[in-house]
Amino acid sequence: NAGVTQTPKFQVLKTGQSMTLQCAQDMNHNSMYWYRQDPGMGLRLIYYSASEGTTDKGEVPNGYNVSRLNKREFSLRLESAAPSQTSVYFCASSATGTGGSPLHFGNGTRLTVT
Amino acid sequence: QQPVQSPQAVILREGEDAVINCSSSKALYSVHWYRQKHGEAPVFLMILLKGGEQKGHEKISASFNEKKQQSSLYLTASQLSYSGTYFCGINTGGGNKLTFGTGTQLKVEL
Repeated sequence: NAGVTQTPKFQVLKTGQSMTLQCAQDMNHNSMYWYRQDPGMGLRLIYYSASEGTTDKGEVPNGYNVSRLNKREFSLRLESAAPSQTSVYFCASSATGTGGSPLHFGNGTRLTVT
Repeated sequence: QQPVQSPQAVILREGEDAVINCSSSKALYSVHWYRQKHGEAPVFLMILLKGGEQKGHEKISASFNEKKQQSSLYLTASQLSYSGTYFCGINTGGGNKLTFGTGTQLKVEL
């Protein structure tokens, strides 16, 4: 039982390049999330998907797009990377909304944009 | 609106107790607590729901004051393994959005 799996673990991009961060969960959870973590700022929600077929913006969605491919998979795309997007990205899932369900996090992707 | 956590950092000797606080400017539906060790993912500790329900680890103690829009995490008889950064997350609408505080760094020393 792997839980939440993120790929890649590390990535270095040049300004303007694009990439997709992949996330998959095997817990049959309905909801999935993308957070970014920067020093001193905690975890900030980028996008979330309450259920298969739906996506919504979080606190910091600019510069990102997401796709809920199926119930298991939720990807995050950076179309034109900027140095301000250097961060650690965490994917998470929950059985239902966070009103009553905890988040289960993946191990993170450490992204550097030069 | 990001919740405010206090203190920002605390150092304990093994066996001592600590309290970490989380305050919101909005009415709370639920409060989550997570611990993150350096270079690792956050790990769920506890969720407290309005109305009094709690879910989480038996050894973790927390309170939820709906009127004051606050939650506190109680760490008793601290162990070296308690070291890490503790985050509270607040849900104010009952849906999916969980907004995290900036964290409290806890270090337990011998």
